Amino acid sequence: GDSVTQMEGPVTLSEEAFLTINCTYTATGYPSLFWYVQYPGEGLQLLLKATKADDKGSNKGFEATYRKETTSFHLEKGSVQVSDSAVYFCALKEGFGNEKLTFGTGTRLTIIP
Amino acid sequence: DAGITQSPRHKVTETGTPVTLRCHQTENHRYMYWYRQDPGHGLRLIHYSYGVKDTDKGEVSDGYSVSRSKTEDFLLTLESATSSQTSVYFCAIKGTSGSAYNEQFFGPGTRLTVL
Repeated sequence: GDSVTQMEGPVTLSEEAFLTINCTYTATGYPSLFWYVQYPGEGLQLLLKATKADDKGSNKGFEATYRKETTSFHLEKGSVQVSDSAVYFCALKEGFGNEKLTFGTGTRLTIIP
Repeated sequence: DAGITQSPRHKVTETGTPVTLRCHQTENHRYMYWYRQDPGHGLRLIHYSYGVKDTDKGEVSDGYSVSRSKTEDFLLTLESATSSQTSVYFCAIKGTSGSAYNEQFFGPGTRLTVL
């Protein structure tokens, strides 16, 4: 079945550091890939997405590229801020007719000033 | 803001009691979902609905039932709550147009504790 593996947390970085959160996936078809962010006490918000190989999703300075050859969708940001502290979830969704979002276990990110 | 509210936001109950969680949406979305969030598991789909009275099971549906008698409300019921159902429950809807097409948007969550 489908699965998503993301790097274990927690991750602690200093402000303005470079961020990478790794995500790899296993899927039978050609899924869409997502990064969600969850701020403390809130629900999940979609951060970015990519729907086909080599697509790059980007939002709020975050980027991730859909790499079919390595089945990866790593999240990156060049200079993190304290306000980026949150839990980040990688997820995939198979094609039309499949309603299930498969999530990774989440990576807690803390940015210190 | 996808216009999703969940009630209650927090609940503590005892083992064996029935519990119903409500998800309400204001934008006439056809698809609605219930997930649970647990440490080490991310979010897992419990049930979803694709219209009034149309529902289907997700990957962790045992011990849960759902109902959707009108478009705006999707109810999740634990017939006899167990401690293993202590979790945070999220409702979601699926966008149907524009850049939000086929994306899921989540409510604020309900924290349920079963003692």
